[in-house]
Amino acid sequence: AQRVTQPEKLLSVFKGAPVELKCNYSYSGSPELFWYVQYSRQRLQLLLRHISRESIKGFTADLNKGETSFHLKKPFAQEEDSAMYYCALNFGNEKLTFGTGTRLTIIP
Amino acid sequence: DTGVSQDPRHKITKRGQNVTFRCDPISEHNRLYWYRQTLGQGPEFLTYFQNEAQLEKSRLLSDRFSAERPKGSFSTLEIQRTEQGDSAMYLCASSLASVSSYEQYFGPGTRLTVT
Repeated sequence: AQRVTQPEKLLSVFKGAPVELKCNYSYSGSPELFWYVQYSRQRLQLLLRHISRESIKGFTADLNKGETSFHLKKPFAQEEDSAMYYCALNFGNEKLTFGTGTRLTIIP
Repeated sequence: DTGVSQDPRHKITKRGQNVTFRCDPISEHNRLYWYRQTLGQGPEFLTYFQNEAQLEKSRLLSDRFSAERPKGSFSTLEIQRTEQGDSAMYLCASSLASVSSYEQYFGPGTRLTVT
């Protein structure tokens, strides 16, 4: 069965410091992974997907099949990055399995 | 606002009552998904439609739950004989299934409280 694990429920980082949000997955098929973000009082929205290999708002994520990880990184945190972040796995026809989420707080 | 909309945004009901939620997807999107999110958890997949066809249902979707998308546009999710364990945020998402893009756009959710 597919599973997504986000080991940190809460993460606090000083402004300007690097950020890394961890995500590990288990899936027998070929994984497609995403990061979704939910800012305060806003709806869930796609941040980035691994197949596009793009950088959004300074965030990047690399799929590591050997370690079954898809960690989200940003070199210099900004206050507007404070939000809830969810890692998600597409397990067929874009049905998503989400992790439990990490609440990121950027300390000014 | 041309995004996904859901109605109502909040619903309080007594145990045993039936409730119905509505989701209006982005107009050209052919896929529609329902998820449920409880406190401290990520969204959990419930069911999805391609046009009017319901293609898959999660084991989470007990026989008290039914979803429809009669004309391939809006969708309804009905819960019969609600239980306290049904209290959750119900999220709807839509996407335009194509080779190059399948981003899911989420609605604001309907928060259900069963007392």
